[in-house]
Amino acid sequence: DAKTTQPPSMDCAEGRAANLPCNHSTISGNEYVYWYRQIHSQGPQYIIHGLKNNETNEMASLIITEDRKSSTLILPHATLRDTAVYYCIVRVAPGGGADGLTFGKGTHLIIQP
Amino acid sequence: ETGVTQTPRHLVMGMTNKKSLKCEQHLGHNAMYWYKQSAKKPLELMFVYNFKEQTENNSVPSRFSPECPNSSHLFLHLHTLQPEDSALYLCASSQAPSETQYFGPGTRLLVL
Repeated sequence: DAKTTQPPSMDCAEGRAANLPCNHSTISGNEYVYWYRQIHSQGPQYIIHGLKNNETNEMASLIITEDRKSSTLILPHATLRDTAVYYCIVRVAPGGGADGLTFGKGTHLIIQP
Repeated sequence: ETGVTQTPRHLVMGMTNKKSLKCEQHLGHNAMYWYKQSAKKPLELMFVYNFKEQTENNSVPSRFSPECPNSSHLFLHLHTLQPEDSALYLCASSQAPSETQYFGPGTRLLVL
């Protein structure tokens, strides 16, 4: 699976949009971009994933650049409960390789009141 | 969330004890996983099961013994652990290997 690079920490004001960047310059054509978050000492929570088109669900939006070398997770109206470590993970499509997720250090997003 | 449950949520054990962690998924998935998260470290994959068969063992010491009696249940049997095995143990499941994984709340283990 391709390696990802994320800033170690970010701050965002409550009520504003939180934009979390991720670089994955070595991504392959059959690799998806996944985002999870982990609130302190809890299990990781799945947020969203995509291949090359932008995706949106009830939690967030995922914007993937045209060359697929980077992406941005957008939380449109951040709340204090969004404070967590956010992980960007690149992995192959189903059946394409190792089945486990490779977690990095992620971005610690702190929502300020 | 009640999709993936883990028991116990907290466990303290001595190095000579034998204990088991339990994971149950209510999502109708066929693949289950064990991960370990030590303090200040990223999550590490331990084991993968698909349709009750172990498909991946990430060089885990034999003092950790997984068991998957059916697609809904996964156990991690622990014996003669070391203090450095203290960590958050997380279970996950997915419809199939490499599909989106959903995690349980974890078991916080302390080995004395």
